[in-house]
Amino acid sequence: DGGITQSPKYLFRKEGQNVTLSCEQNLNHDAMYWYRQDPGQGLRLIYYSHIVNDFQKGDIAEGYSVSREKKESFPLTVTSAQKNPTAFYLCASRRDWSSYNEQFFGPGTRLTVL
Amino acid sequence: GQQVMQIPQYQHVQEGEDFTTYCNSSTTLSNIQWYKQRPGGHPVFLIQLVKSGEVKKQKRLTFQFGEAKKNSSLHITATQTTDVGTYFCAVDQGAQKLVFGQGTRLTINP
Repeated sequence: DGGITQSPKYLFRKEGQNVTLSCEQNLNHDAMYWYRQDPGQGLRLIYYSHIVNDFQKGDIAEGYSVSREKKESFPLTVTSAQKNPTAFYLCASRRDWSSYNEQFFGPGTRLTVL
Repeated sequence: GQQVMQIPQYQHVQEGEDFTTYCNSSTTLSNIQWYKQRPGGHPVFLIQLVKSGEVKKQKRLTFQFGEAKKNSSLHITATQTTDVGTYFCAVDQGAQKLVFGQGTRLTINP
């Protein structure tokens, strides 16, 4: 089955620790995205990547970092500099960025920082 | 950048009643997409509208794109409990990234 996987589904960390969220896609999509969703809120863009070895900051990039070393993988690191990291994190992909096509989302990771 | 306002934020209906959510922009949109997120789930693409005045239907769901391409609506006829969730509109910003509305959360009394 083609799709996007995110692991783990639930993640607990102590305050001050960095944590990396995994996102893998086998759709052969060029573009990948990370969103943050807080309870009852919409989706806010953290980072996005249109091609391997390139990525751009979204609207709320502070306290986060990403890498795009492989087309299928786009891990997100939540650093200790992120002041309110507890949230639902969604990874998405899109066939390419240059045409209007749909985004496919992974199942998400719920991060709780204690 | 592109901003979209989505209203209402919440809507509670009795099963069988109709439901409508609206997405509005101050600028002309190139396209608009609609997504549904079930409680505890992730957003799933429903449809894309591109043409001025376009109307598309999916069973009980009707999607419209305004003539001026500045607004869109999603209408559900005779809601069912399976329609529960949050509905988001999203627009392309410079063909590089999607900007999502705040969403309309639909709850249904069976």
